[in-house]
Amino acid sequence: DAKTTQPTSMDCAEGRAANLPCNHSTISGNEYVYWYRQIHSQGPQYIIHGLKNNETNEMASLIITEDRKSSTLILPHATLRDTAVYYCIVRAHTGNQFYFGTGTSLTVIP
Amino acid sequence: DAGVTQSPTHLIKTRGQQVTLRCSPKSGHDTVSWYQQALGQGPQFIFQYYEEEERQRGNFPDRFSGHQFPNYSSELNVNALLLGDSALYLCASSWDSTNYGYTFGSGTRLTVV
Repeated sequence: DAKTTQPTSMDCAEGRAANLPCNHSTISGNEYVYWYRQIHSQGPQYIIHGLKNNETNEMASLIITEDRKSSTLILPHATLRDTAVYYCIVRAHTGNQFYFGTGTSLTVIP
Repeated sequence: DAGVTQSPTHLIKTRGQQVTLRCSPKSGHDTVSWYQQALGQGPQFIFQYYEEEERQRGNFPDRFSGHQFPNYSSELNVNALLLGDSALYLCASSWDSTNYGYTFGSGTRLTVV
């Protein structure tokens, strides 16, 4: 599984869009990009995943560059409850495990 | 529909003791994975169980062992506890080898003193 690089921490004003970047320059053709988040003292929560097309669901949007070497998770209107650690993970869809890095600690500021 | 449930939520053990943690997968899921999360770190894969067999194992010593029951629930056992085993232990369940719908529980906080 490829490794990812994320900023250690970010701040975002409440109500504004939060854009969380992730680099995955060694991603393989069969590997998906997954995003999970972990609110303090809880288990990781699935947000979204994609292969090469941009994806959107009720929680977020995922923008993947054409060369697939980087992606951005977008929370369109951040709220205080979005304060969490966000993990970007690349993994083959049939892979048996997720390789978590240290993620990005997002703080939404009132 | 209950998600992944883990028990107990918190546990304090003494160095050298043994501990058993339990996990019930989400309804419809048949695969269980265990992770260890030290303070300030991301979760680290311990092992995965499917059809009552250990399918893959991460870089953890043999002191860590597991079991999966016919109802797909699972146990994680840790022998000869060390202070460094203090962590949040997470269970995740999913459907079949595609790991579709990978869902985590809230974890068991183990403190070794």
